[in-house]
Amino acid sequence: EPEVTQTPSHQVTQMGQEVILRCVPISNHLYFYWYRQILGQKVEFLVSFYNNEISEKSEIFDDQFSVERPDGSNFTLKIRSTKLEDSAMYFCASSETNSGGVQYFGPGTRLLVL
Amino acid sequence: AQSVAQPEDQVNVAEGNPLTVKCTYSVSGNPYLFWYVQYPNRGLQFLLKYITGDNLVKGSYGFEAEFNKSQTSFHLKKPSALVSDSALYFCAVRDGDTGFQKLVFGTGTRLLVSP
Repeated sequence: EPEVTQTPSHQVTQMGQEVILRCVPISNHLYFYWYRQILGQKVEFLVSFYNNEISEKSEIFDDQFSVERPDGSNFTLKIRSTKLEDSAMYFCASSETNSGGVQYFGPGTRLLVL
Repeated sequence: AQSVAQPEDQVNVAEGNPLTVKCTYSVSGNPYLFWYVQYPNRGLQFLLKYITGDNLVKGSYGFEAEFNKSQTSFHLKKPSALVSDSALYFCAVRDGDTGFQKLVFGTGTRLLVSP
């Protein structure tokens, strides 16, 4: 069964460093998403991406964040200058359609900013 | 703005007994509702969804959910719980009247099924 994959599974970085989280969505999906879950809190939407552009973003997704689909398979989330409060589990998701389409989630990348 | 409430942090049930995990939602347009399950160190796995049609929706692993528009609820149920159902369950909603796909999640309910 096709699934969303994410690398790395864990990332430790120093405050102020740039990190890139990588995702490979399900191959025939057209819509891509990033969510995050701070430890003990709810899963929060960050951004959605379709047709090579951002279609929606939350207030969390400020200028420190960017997303890119650099080739036909990868979807990346870049945090330019990490802060302690960026420590969280980051989930990538993809869906085939917009209308009622199920978002399938990857296993997540646990980011720890020291 | 959308919101989801899962009033129980934890639900305990004995194996073989029926289980219910509660969810209520708030959305201005038509609700698209989803249940996901999260096992330790795993991502969110889709269980079932309600978009339109029958109020009783059947999903994976014997789970079902009942959409109740008047009570704005979408409770997850299973007639006979298994120990392997022990996990964290999330309810999510999006506004079906907009083109936006943002899912808004509840805080999650931990289900513990005892042997």
